[in-house]
Amino acid sequence: QSALTQPASVSGSPGQSITISCTGTSSDVGNYNLVSWYQQHPGNAPKLIIYEVTKRPSGVSDRFSGSKSGNSASLTISGLQAEDEADYYCCSYTGRSSLVFGGGTKVTVL
Amino acid sequence: EMQLVESGGGLVQSGGSLGLSCAASGFTFSTYWMHWVRQVPGKGLVWVSRMSGDGVYRTYADSVKGRFTISRDNAKNTLYLQMNSLRVEDMAIYYCAREALGAGRQTDAFDIWGQGTMVTVSS
Repeated sequence: QSALTQPASVSGSPGQSITISCTGTSSDVGNYNLVSWYQQHPGNAPKLIIYEVTKRPSGVSDRFSGSKSGNSASLTISGLQAEDEADYYCCSYTGRSSLVFGGGTKVTVL
Repeated sequence: EMQLVESGGGLVQSGGSLGLSCAASGFTFSTYWMHWVRQVPGKGLVWVSRMSGDGVYRTYADSVKGRFTISRDNAKNTLYLQMNSLRVEDMAIYYCAREALGAGRQTDAFDIWGQGTMVTVSS
């Protein structure tokens, strides 16, 4: 199972909005609404920020939102803040009783 | 406080074995699917294995199938990963993670993570 495709890096200025893409295939992202997103700061474990494509866990800022179109999912961070600087990973169910992550995107706040 | 604490990591030679444990607390362990995810330091996350709350169902990534075994002891609130025939490419931080509950179905999303335990495989 190949990793989902994410851009290596995305940057934005404070207050701006950025979008991170996550491209899979019709066997994973395109066929299931089981895409999740994680934020990971250096030295820390990942943190769930979006699940089932669009849902936010309790306590996660509403500046984070998710969507999906075809074989691609997206994470949008609105009102970018310095604390949002981190690595972001998408993950999808693959339909073969397994899951696959994206390669990760480093977000830099300029 | 809901918590996962991994242990058992360390240094092992290629071809050797190692067993990891993940102690859960603060929630009803037997209710949840549990997963192992690994990460080479500085690299991306890779899903390894998962097990149903009752211990009946388990699946593995192709890269570890036949070498790794996931298990759990709900009486001890503990998840395990037995790793055999270890390879240099298995070297990583191993996280256990709890799968978030959905409305009567799996979410395949990980809402609680441990701090990870490092497995080093020497050639």
